[in-house]
Amino acid sequence: LAKTTQPISMDSYEGQEVNITCSHNNIATNDYITWYQQFPSQGPRFIIQGYKTKVTNEVASLFIPADRKSSTLSLPRVSLSDTAVYYCLVGMDTGRRALTFGSGTRLQVQP
Amino acid sequence: NAGVTQTPKFQVLKTGQSMTLQCAQDMNHEYMSWYRQDPGMGLRLIHYSVGAGITDQGEVPNGYNVSRSTTEDFPLRLLSAAPSQTSVYFCATGTRGTYEQYFGPGTRLTVT
Repeated sequence: LAKTTQPISMDSYEGQEVNITCSHNNIATNDYITWYQQFPSQGPRFIIQGYKTKVTNEVASLFIPADRKSSTLSLPRVSLSDTAVYYCLVGMDTGRRALTFGSGTRLQVQP
Repeated sequence: NAGVTQTPKFQVLKTGQSMTLQCAQDMNHEYMSWYRQDPGMGLRLIHYSVGAGITDQGEVPNGYNVSRSTTEDFPLRLLSAAPSQTSVYFCATGTRGTYEQYFGPGTRLTVT
């Protein structure tokens, strides 16, 4: 699986848009980019997945440039409940794959 | 549907004791995995299974055994507990064709 690099922590205020960037210079042609969210004392929760360009769902948007060496998770108008750790993962469903989590980005949203 | 369930929620063991952490799912997913998460760290894969009767080692398998006799259940056995195994253990399931996995609520294990 491709190695990923994310900021260790970020701070924001309620109502702001938050962008978390993940670097994955060694991403392979068949790799997808997936983001998970984890609240304290809970298991991670799938947020969004993409391959190229832009993906949007009811929770977030994922921007992937043409070279796919990085990706940006965008959380619109964050609230206190978005305070969590966000993990970027890169890989593919090979049939025997497993998830490799890095340390993630700890997002703290202030009132 | 219960999704992914784990028992127990909390457990305290003495060094050298053995125990089994239970994981069950009702989503008929092929993939099941066990992760551990140490305080302030990301998750590390212990063992995983791509179907009944098939298991494989992850990043940190030493001290743990698994078996997968049914699609629904994937127990994790600690053979001889050590303080280094104090952690939160998460079970996860997934299905072919997607990278999305579903995590259970976790088991918080303390080894003294």
